Amino acid sequence: GEDVEQSLFLSVREGDSSVINCTYTDSSSTYLYWYKQEPGAGLQLLTYIFSNMDMKQDQRLTVLLNKKDKHLSLRIADTQTGDSAIYFCAASQTYKYIFGTGTRLKVLA
Amino acid sequence: DAGITQSPRHKVTETGTPVTLRCHQTENHRYMYWYRQDPGHGLRLIHYSYGVKDTDKGEVSDGYSVSRSKTEDFLLTLESATSSQTSVYFCAISDLPGNQPQHFGDGTRLSIL
Repeated sequence: GEDVEQSLFLSVREGDSSVINCTYTDSSSTYLYWYKQEPGAGLQLLTYIFSNMDMKQDQRLTVLLNKKDKHLSLRIADTQTGDSAIYFCAASQTYKYIFGTGTRLKVLA
Repeated sequence: DAGITQSPRHKVTETGTPVTLRCHQTENHRYMYWYRQDPGHGLRLIHYSYGVKDTDKGEVSDGYSVSRSKTEDFLLTLESATSSQTSVYFCAISDLPGNQPQHFGDGTRLSIL
């Protein structure tokens, strides 16, 4: 079945760019998503990209999709302490969504 | 924010007791989902619903049942709770899976002693 993998931790300095990576196995995934989870809260949709796109930019967020390698990345420009959270990558197929285990981003002041 | 309310937000109960969690939406979305979140496992799908009275199993459905008698409500029941079901449970909704994102509730933290 579909699998989505992410690295567990990332630490960056405030003001630097953060890049969170994700790989998925099923090339038939139609959309790929990035969610943010702050402590004690639910998952907040950040952005998503259709599988026939290479890139999507939304303010400080840039999503890059390499469909050949099944690799998705989320770049956060000018990372702030408020960006500290867990980031989940997800892939959708028909009625189901498959989530990675999440990457914990720590922003150092 | 999507109108999704989960109740209760926190619950502590004992092994062997029945537990029901409720998810209520005001978006009139067709699809509703229950997930559990555990360290190292990300989100795992328990059950989902694709309409009133239409439900199906996810990857970790053993020990759980669901019901959907109205579009807006999706109930998750643990018939006889076990300590392995201690987790954070999230409800999510989607209008058009595969083409639209899911939106999540704030979660229910369930502890089974």
